[in-house]
Amino acid sequence: SAVISQKPSRDICQRGTSLTIQCQVDSQVTMMFWYRQQPGQSLTLIATANQGSEATYESGFVIDKFPISRPNLTFSTLTVSNMSPEDSSIYLCSVVRGGNEQFFGPGTRLTVL
Amino acid sequence: AQSVTQPDIHITVSEGASLELRCNYSYGATPYLFWYVQSPGQGLQLLLKYFSGDTLVQGIKGFEAEFKRSQSSFNLRKPSVHWSDAAEYFCAVGAYSGNTPLVFGKGTRLSVIA
Repeated sequence: SAVISQKPSRDICQRGTSLTIQCQVDSQVTMMFWYRQQPGQSLTLIATANQGSEATYESGFVIDKFPISRPNLTFSTLTVSNMSPEDSSIYLCSVVRGGNEQFFGPGTRLTVL
Repeated sequence: AQSVTQPDIHITVSEGASLELRCNYSYGATPYLFWYVQSPGQGLQLLLKYFSGDTLVQGIKGFEAEFKRSQSSFNLRKPSVHWSDAAEYFCAVGAYSGNTPLVFGKGTRLSVIA
């Protein structure tokens, strides 16, 4: 299994501001993934983060809006920039262990006013 | 394209009744299949997974799922539902090759009535 922590667990932010979400894993992993879960919706992949290289973004997500850092093999951050109410979601990081079993962090619940 | 379809948005069952949640997938490679549960305000918990071998897999909390390649399905079942099973259930598919993100279905919300 994998122990994944996220900070903050929740936040309420004003539109136009930015929030950085941290994801810490208990051991080294090659790839980390960031997902978004909008209210009442399923999970959508935002980007894949490899250590030492630029993150790979999915269609509809851009680096200027969701910059990602991956400074080492156990840590990553996702920033939600210039927020609007439409960014209100749960943001989850995840890692793959033991083949293709994916483990998820507890999520960061973001509300933008 | 890779996709997962959960045709039932919301299901209501009586406590003690049996349950089946449907999942169909479209995947170009050998799929890994998963069912996750998300309780209100909680994170995702893995219920069970299928990689290969026996097509009937057992999971936690008394859940099981059957992989049917000919139907591209991976339906989740439980013989007797408990009130605590009320949650959102997500089916997901990933690549056999590993280190790839999952593609999720839209989820099925399960309500349990007395």
